[in-house]
Amino acid sequence: AQSVSQHNHHVILSEAASLELGCNYSYGGTVNLFWYVQYPGQHLQLLLKYFSGDPLVKGIKGFEAEFIKSKFSFNLRKPSVQWSDTAEYFCAVIAFSGGYNKLFFGAGTRLAVHP
Amino acid sequence: ETGVTQSPTHLIKTRGQQVTLRCSSQSGHNTVSWYQQALGQGPQFIFQYYREEENGRGNFPPRFSGLQFPNYSSELNVNALELDDSALYLCASSFMREGGSGANVLTFGAGSRLTVL
Repeated sequence: AQSVSQHNHHVILSEAASLELGCNYSYGGTVNLFWYVQYPGQHLQLLLKYFSGDPLVKGIKGFEAEFIKSKFSFNLRKPSVQWSDTAEYFCAVIAFSGGYNKLFFGAGTRLAVHP
Repeated sequence: ETGVTQSPTHLIKTRGQQVTLRCSSQSGHNTVSWYQQALGQGPQFIFQYYREEENGRGNFPPRFSGLQFPNYSSELNVNALELDDSALYLCASSFMREGGSGANVLTFGAGSRLTVL
C-alpha cells in the first residue's frame, strides 16, 4: 500500500535559517510528487510538483525539492526562510489506479519561523 | 478563473444526524475529489467523482456518499454521524483527460469544518 512519511512534525526556525523538510514515500510504480502548503486560516495551495524530467524542481516563493528515486524521497528545501513561511507543509504522492487519481498525503510538518 | 468554493464553512451536528456538504469546482475542471482532514493529520482520500459517477474510493464506509452534478459541482453526504467524523472536509477539483489517466493537479477549497457532538 502506498504511504507518505514526513519526518518532522514540528520545526521551529529563525528568519534566514535554511530549511529542509523530509518526505519519503512507499510506492513501487511511477510517481508524481507534490508539496502543498497551508498558511494559517487558508486553504491548501500547491507549492511545487514533480512529474518527470529534472529531479530538482523549483516552486513558488523560493522553495525547491529534489526527487531521489533510489531513496524514495522528495525533500523540500529553502535556503533562507522568512516569517511569512510559517505554515503547515504536506508532502503528497499521486497514485494512478483504475482510471482515477488518488493523492496520498503525509501527516504534515508545522513550521514556525521566528523573526 | 474562480477557485473551488465550499459551503458551509463551519457546522455543528450531533451523533446520528446526517450532513450534506457542497462544493463548486474550479472553472474548466471536470473532476471532484473529497478528502477528510482530522486534527493533526494529513488529508485522507474519501472518493472521486468524474462524469457524475464515483470512480474511486478510499477506506471510508458506505455512510459516506456523494453526488456530482452536470455543472461539475458536488455534494458529500454523511449519514449516522459519529464523533470521529469531526474533521475538516476538503473538496478538490481537477481536469481529467479522456480515458481517466494521467497526472493532474488538484485545486483545493478552504474546507468545511464539521464538529460532531
